Amino acid sequence: QKEVEQDPGPLSVPEGAIVSLNCTYSNSAFQYFMWYRQYSRKGPELLMYTYSSGNKEDGRFTAQVDKSSKYISLFIRDSQPSDSATYLCAMGRGANSKLTFGKGITLSVRP
Amino acid sequence: EAQVTQNPRYLITVTGKKLTVTCSQNMNHEYMSWYRQDPGLGLRQIYYSMNVEVTDKGDVPEGYKVSRKEKRNFPLILESPSPNQTSLYFCASSPLRGASTDTQYFGPGTRLTVL
Repeated sequence: QKEVEQDPGPLSVPEGAIVSLNCTYSNSAFQYFMWYRQYSRKGPELLMYTYSSGNKEDGRFTAQVDKSSKYISLFIRDSQPSDSATYLCAMGRGANSKLTFGKGITLSVRP
Repeated sequence: EAQVTQNPRYLITVTGKKLTVTCSQNMNHEYMSWYRQDPGLGLRQIYYSMNVEVTDKGDVPEGYKVSRKEKRNFPLILESPSPNQTSLYFCASSPLRGASTDTQYFGPGTRLTVL
């Protein structure tokens, strides 16, 4: 089993839809959880960052971590065409550790 | 403007011809890292550096070398490129010593093709 699994997609939704993106992981040592967004022909950029379990909200985006189930989610409310990008989950064990990335899922929001 | 720059952005080369991809950041970051991104495999770390003269292997270091002689620069060296090193390469930097606790700033990417 890979350390981090992410549904490969792609995912296509109509504008205004609620989007749910998910990752599962196998290593219980992960404590830091991130979502990166990558537009076409660009480098990834940090979207959301969560430490340990719980929810974090930033505008239309909510990141959720369930450590007991080893499951993280990113919700996008009122999705917009500008949200069309590849979304990568990433996880780390400790403050000085490297990140392990999921493979990414490509989201397309149709006008 | 705070940024990570990479050069070249696109490169086509032949097997065995040594090449260097440069990476530079102007944010005085301690942590720098190189990744490769391949379809179906995602982002995989090649090498990282916690500070000047300190480098360490990531998940896929074979066939690559790095150096960190100055804080701002972190070049990636392919001594004898092979076709399986055809990929999209990203350099990234982070203000703190670890990638987990702070955002990484990624460069624009270098698309390398090895024939």
